[in-house]
Amino acid sequence: GAGVSQSPSNKVTEKGKDVELRCDPISGHTALYWYRQSLGQGLEFLIYFQGNSAPDKSGLPSDRFSAERTGGSVSTLTIQRTQQEDSAVYLCASSLVGTGGEKLFFGSGTQLSVL
Amino acid sequence: KNEVEQSPQNLTAQEGEFITINCSYSVGISALHWLQQHPGGGIVSLFMLSSGKKKHGRLIATINIQEKHSSLHITASHPRDSAVYICAIPLFGGNGGATNKLIFGTGTLLAVQP
Repeated sequence: GAGVSQSPSNKVTEKGKDVELRCDPISGHTALYWYRQSLGQGLEFLIYFQGNSAPDKSGLPSDRFSAERTGGSVSTLTIQRTQQEDSAVYLCASSLVGTGGEKLFFGSGTQLSVL
Repeated sequence: KNEVEQSPQNLTAQEGEFITINCSYSVGISALHWLQQHPGGGIVSLFMLSSGKKKHGRLIATINIQEKHSSLHITASHPRDSAVYICAIPLFGGNGGATNKLIFGTGTLLAVQP
């Protein structure tokens, strides 16, 4: 596609349920990032995939969060047993290689609301 | 102390005014990003710079590596410039190379009134 695509755009779930958020990066981009933006908070890094390397999971807030990237393209962020504090906008971004000197392309985000 | 600090947090301007948003950081960096986030969440990368100055249309970004400071300027501001402007710096990876794992400032909410 022309840009980074995320789905769903909005997700409302009940506390304790599992959710899956999807990110389809720009074709050919080897680096993919997940960020989270909570209400009134800045953006925070969650996880980073680069090519075939092991993902950098250092930003995941708890073991309820996991992500995978299949075939070096689409990524799924899974949150198990959701809590109200998980409510946030989850943003995916991709870049060509993954170095610090690259432009990032962001998706429109998934607004997650945990009731 | 946050590693990336922006000022002001909120800025209201009249259409046509020259606007400056500042970003200071406390660690060594390879590059600094300026991002724009419109209501509704979409984020657009405006600039990525490692030295000097870059210009795109009415937007100008400057950086002073020695002083660990960057500014984003908007000339002849317009209501469509109303957005949150965010600066971000990359963390370094385990191999010492810069990555796009970004640390973000808290953003500057700009409202340009007609």
